[in-house]
Amino acid sequence: EPEVTQTPSHQVTQMGQEVILRCVPISNHLYFYWYRQILGQKVEFLVSFYNNEISEKSEIFDDQFSVERPDGSNFTLKIRSTKLEDSAMYFCASSIEGPHTDTQYFGPGTRLTVL
Amino acid sequence: AQSVTQLDSHVSVSEGTPVLLRCNYSSSYSPSLFWYVQHPNKGLQLLLKYTSAATLVKGINGFEAEFKKSETSFHLTKPSAHMSDAAEYFCVVSITLTNAGKSTFGDGTTLTVKP
Repeated sequence: EPEVTQTPSHQVTQMGQEVILRCVPISNHLYFYWYRQILGQKVEFLVSFYNNEISEKSEIFDDQFSVERPDGSNFTLKIRSTKLEDSAMYFCASSIEGPHTDTQYFGPGTRLTVL
Repeated sequence: AQSVTQLDSHVSVSEGTPVLLRCNYSSSYSPSLFWYVQHPNKGLQLLLKYTSAATLVKGINGFEAEFKKSETSFHLTKPSAHMSDAAEYFCVVSITLTNAGKSTFGDGTTLTVKP
């Protein structure tokens, strides 16, 4: 069964450094998402992406964050200058249709630790 | 705007007894509703979803949920708990006027299953 994959599984970085989290969505999916889950807290929406542009973003997704689909298979989340509070599990998801009608398939997550 | 409230942060049951995880939602429009499960150090797995078809939805592993518009509820049930059901459960609401948008997660309910 096709699945969403994410790399790396765990990323450790120093505060102020740039990180890129990578995701490979399911191949025929058209909608892509990033969520994060700070340890012990709820899963929070960051951004959705469709047709090569951001379709919606939350207040968390400020200028430090960016997303890109650099080729036909990868979907990346970049954090330009990491802060301690960016430490969290980051989940990528994809769906064939939009979130209202279709299931979002989640990847296993990347645990980001900012020191 | 949309929101979701999981009424219990922790639920503890004995193996073989019924499970009830409660979820209420708020939405200005017809919502789609999902239940996801997250096992320790794992990603998010879809249990079931409601997208305006039958109000009683059956999912994987014997779980089901009933959409009750009058009560704005989407409670998750299982007739007989299994040890492997111990996990974190998230109720998710999604609404959008276009096909883009986001999903909103509840705070989660931790299910403990006692032998």
